Amino acid sequence: QVQLQESGPGLVKPSETLSLTCSVSGGSISSGNYFWSWIRQPPGKGLEWIAHIYGGGSTTYNPSLKSRVTISVDTSKNQFSLKLSSVTAADTAVYSCARTPYSRSYRGWYDPWGQGTLVIVSS
Amino acid sequence: QSVLTQPPSASGTPGQRVTISCSGSTSSVGSNYVYWYQQLPGTAPKLLIYRNDQRPSGVPDRFSGSKSGTSASLAISGLRSEDEADYYCAAWDDSLSGPVFGAGTKLTVL
Repeated sequence: QVQLQESGPGLVKPSETLSLTCSVSGGSISSGNYFWSWIRQPPGKGLEWIAHIYGGGSTTYNPSLKSRVTISVDTSKNQFSLKLSSVTAADTAVYSCARTPYSRSYRGWYDPWGQGTLVIVSS
Repeated sequence: QSVLTQPPSASGTPGQRVTISCSGSTSSVGSNYVYWYQQLPGTAPKLLIYRNDQRPSGVPDRFSGSKSGTSASLAISGLRSEDEADYYCAAWDDSLSGPVFGAGTKLTVL
């Protein structure tokens, strides 16, 4: 059973870069059949997709965040990572990693999810 | 601002049937399957409905989904107190090449 676990600082200063890692266990991130995604949820608000990376390494970003986001994969560690630059208080959110099938018939089926990690942007 | 439109709240009494709507665009709901997630406080979203109207194993048949054109809906019959949660609709958006979510509907069981 595939499991995802986020890790990274819980507090980031304004204008700095937020860096998070998602560790994947129980399956290979390079299997090529999935999109590996970052999704965030500001306190009391809805879900927002940030970016995803295909097992083969191609990336897609939410246009609203594209200029500040980098997603990457480290197949040797079975991990993928998120970097969000120039953060502001508006980037305070629970950040979760999740997986969705590459198959068009199942895109949108996010499972599993990591437990999520709260990142607060504050000085 | 969320791309899929949901009512912010819904409510019902135990045993009642409630529906939650989800409206999107031709590039999202109109062209792709709709998914529904249930989120209990402090937990990750749980898949409730996939491909518009299918239930994963373990989800009670009290939950049902439907889609027509650029709109979809989630129905919960025989409402129970444990159904009190936030519900999100989601769909792939071809113009985004990624998913879009609704802002969520908070369901209260009175």
